[in-house]
Amino acid sequence: DAGITQSPRHKVTETGTPVTLRCHQTENHRYMYWYRQDPGHGLRLIHYSYGVKDTDKGEVSDGYSVSRSKTEDFLLTLESATSSQTSVYFCAISERAGLSGANVLTFGAGSRLTVL
Amino acid sequence: QQQVKQSPQSLIVQKGGISIINCAYENTAFDYFPWYQQFPGKGPALLIAIRPDVSEKKEGRFTISFNKSAKQFSLHIMDSQPGDSATYFCAALNNAGNMLTFGGGTRLMVKP
Repeated sequence: DAGITQSPRHKVTETGTPVTLRCHQTENHRYMYWYRQDPGHGLRLIHYSYGVKDTDKGEVSDGYSVSRSKTEDFLLTLESATSSQTSVYFCAISERAGLSGANVLTFGAGSRLTVL
Repeated sequence: QQQVKQSPQSLIVQKGGISIINCAYENTAFDYFPWYQQFPGKGPALLIAIRPDVSEKKEGRFTISFNKSAKQFSLHIMDSQPGDSATYFCAALNNAGNMLTFGGGTRLMVKP
């Protein structure tokens, strides 16, 4: 998935433990996004970043925090994981703010998180 | 609540048939409607997209039909092939251009 690496790809953890997912890009794109994918809900935006140290909330941000200290890395942290956060998490990047036309979202391969 | 509703959740089509996936939206502040295709173990990838000032867009075997007054749009896959078997998501982009709202997805299986 061109220029985007997510790690870990699979993780099993227990309720109450902290979890950090990493998204690394080699495209030097300014905008980065974290989505979660759940059956019947499609993809829902958790947080996004429009530059180093610049982030904003999406529609399902409760229980999640993000950080972006370098252009290429966008971290998603679950401070205290809950079973409702069992999901597949996708990172996406785009070159510009507007997502229409040629400026499409490019997704990573996903990170499957299971919270027991 | 889901602002973009997609149906059906799953679809089985014979090879050579037409696959039709429907979406309806509630927010009139959407102004760009892409479709994404996702294969197992992969992230979604943009397939085709349409603006609301156009009623139809065709790219190869894939066609989007858009009905602005009904707030509905659909994806038609002509001459469906087993390689088209994937999950398809419709989406709608807000006027600010910074947030995509996705439908719930349709899992398509094309039988040989």
